[in-house]
Amino acid sequence: KAGVTQTPRYLIKTRGQQVTLSCSPISGHRSVSWYQQTPGQGLQFLFEYFSETQRNKGNFPGRFSGRQFSNSRSEMNVSTLELGDSALYLCASRPRGGSTDTQYFGPGTRLTVL
Amino acid sequence: EDKVVQSPLSLVVHEGDTVTLNCSYEVTNFRSLLWYKQEKKAPTFLFMLTSSGIEKKSGRLSSILDKKELFSILNITATQTGDSAIYLCAVLLNQGGKLIFGQGTELSVKP
Repeated sequence: KAGVTQTPRYLIKTRGQQVTLSCSPISGHRSVSWYQQTPGQGLQFLFEYFSETQRNKGNFPGRFSGRQFSNSRSEMNVSTLELGDSALYLCASRPRGGSTDTQYFGPGTRLTVL
Repeated sequence: EDKVVQSPLSLVVHEGDTVTLNCSYEVTNFRSLLWYKQEKKAPTFLFMLTSSGIEKKSGRLSSILDKKELFSILNITATQTGDSAIYLCAVLLNQGGKLIFGQGTELSVKP
């Protein structure tokens, strides 16, 4: 079974621009979560989608948004980019919405904001 | 505020040594605790622990959870250079798929 895939793998943007990242979960997985990883803050939860609905949201400003499509693929959007948004963005998928399911991570998208 | 704390933050050992990594947590709505290994890429899943006192083993790695004292340990015996990585502890909350991560322990195994 193919793992979680994320595109693009690397991205360079300038302040004020917006960016869209994509995540395709493992086949059959319906839940997708997004995380931001930085050296200073570590891994922080952004949001989770299940069946096209956002079920949970972390403590990030409204510039961070996401959505999920009927095929479970998810996109994350960051508007009005700031230097501090430079990070590795990871997405994770799991089969169902139940809390006991293990989350499997994709390779991440490395975003650099100049 | 929910938090997960790992110790030590970094560790240097020699091949063949045994290491113990610690993870303590203070969260509301605890569901389970997970360990991940992260090299220069995505975190890879190691263990999920839900019940207290039951050891999970995979080869040279093992882990156990103490829900009364709110901590978990990850043991690696007979370490190898390939064990060099950041080991992440995360707590899964009852509300959906939110994982709260610790800062990670950076393990370096020297030949």
